[in-house]
Amino acid sequence: DTEVTQTPKHLVMGMTNKKSLKCEQHMGHRAMYWYKQKAKKPPELMFVYSYEKLSINESVPSRFSPECPNSSLLNLHLHALQPEDSALYLCASSPPEGAPNTGELFFGEGSRLTVL
Amino acid sequence: DAKTTQPPSMDCAEGRAANLPCNHSTISGNEYVYWYRQIHSQGPQYIIHGLKNNETNEMASLIITEDRKSSTLILPHATLRDTAVYYCIVRRFPWAYGQNFVFGPGTRLSVLP
Repeated sequence: DTEVTQTPKHLVMGMTNKKSLKCEQHMGHRAMYWYKQKAKKPPELMFVYSYEKLSINESVPSRFSPECPNSSLLNLHLHALQPEDSALYLCASSPPEGAPNTGELFFGEGSRLTVL
Repeated sequence: DAKTTQPPSMDCAEGRAANLPCNHSTISGNEYVYWYRQIHSQGPQYIIHGLKNNETNEMASLIITEDRKSSTLILPHATLRDTAVYYCIVRRFPWAYGQNFVFGPGTRLSVLP
């Protein structure tokens, strides 16, 4: 299995809703990432988990709450979002240190979020 | 990590080689050059990476100048499916595990029939 799987592919939510995005990989990778991508812009890093611990938070508003319950799963909990949070949310993972291709990131297909 | 500059857009005729340049004039000796591409509304896809030698795989070739200040990604026979945004990224080795991967604006390649 060489895939990063993201669900749902599309999500529409109101500003008062609570929803979650899910990311899963079974490649034994121990770093997992959330990126946000607005239309016609490059992906921008939000969070990094390394060995299930949050290692990077790029000053993301608290209405986005990441969670890494185990080495294969990464969640992004969403609450009280704004319309400007509408974007493609990308999950990625990278192999553990010492493994081949350690420098590569493997991306999922993304979850397209629309906030009404 | 060193900054990169790429042309914002390029066109290429189908079946011809696509040569995508990247300037990384401040690159240091332990920094690798990575190329990713992103087809519309999909996740970025790894293409190739290198340190100082030219590299080739089933997708592309990477030519790095001797002074390492620039590189060129070559798609030898471009197809319509190669239409995408191509990102050149420089990353320092050894990388801290879970280190950020910074995407620049990239080059939007349009392969024309």
